[in-house]
Amino acid sequence: AQSVTQLDSHVSVSEGTPVLLRCNYSSSYSPSLFWYVQHPNKGLQLLLKYTSAATLVKGINGFEAEFKKSETSFHLTKPSAHMSDAAEYFCVVSGAYNNNDMRFGAGTRLTVKP
Amino acid sequence: NAGVTQTPKFRVLKTGQSMTLLCAQDMNHEYMYWYRQDPGMGLRLIHYSVGEGTTAKGEVPDGYNVSRLKKQNFLLGLESAAPSQTSVYFCASGRSEQYFGPGTRLTVT
Repeated sequence: AQSVTQLDSHVSVSEGTPVLLRCNYSSSYSPSLFWYVQHPNKGLQLLLKYTSAATLVKGINGFEAEFKKSETSFHLTKPSAHMSDAAEYFCVVSGAYNNNDMRFGAGTRLTVKP
Repeated sequence: NAGVTQTPKFRVLKTGQSMTLLCAQDMNHEYMYWYRQDPGMGLRLIHYSVGEGTTAKGEVPDGYNVSRLKKQNFLLGLESAAPSQTSVYFCASGRSEQYFGPGTRLTVT
């Protein structure tokens, strides 16, 4: 069985400052890990994914995440927040070969202040 | 490419009524999924399909049925709606990477 814990339900940053959204996972297998973003009243868009290649994964819009097996973490970062980054972010874990069992975190709402 | 589309976008039902949500994808994906999203709980998998004519239960299947008669379509049915089924429903397709539709907001009164 696998699960995901997003450590913050809400993160607020000022425009131009770094973003850190924290995610810890639990998995019996070598997991695949994903970050999705959901803007208000929209569907989910994939930001980036880790599938056992490089541990530092670069995604769209300047986001990146680092897979740390020893810490069972997959935190999402961005050096400088933009107003357009304000959204809900979901960390997701799935079995290495079976995406039928994707488990979503509860989400982190990111607010960006001018 | 339209990607993944969902019909309808909004719906209000009375308890006991039935309805069908339609999902269509034009990416020739074998795998399709139905999720529900509730506040503070992320998305939870209701049912999924690994190909035309096949369906399987996900994490929260009770009260829902699905059908995959054509590869591009995945239908989610509620036979007798309950207030607990008030939620936002998302369809997705893809295997190593899932592509999501815009969602259907369903309210059951």
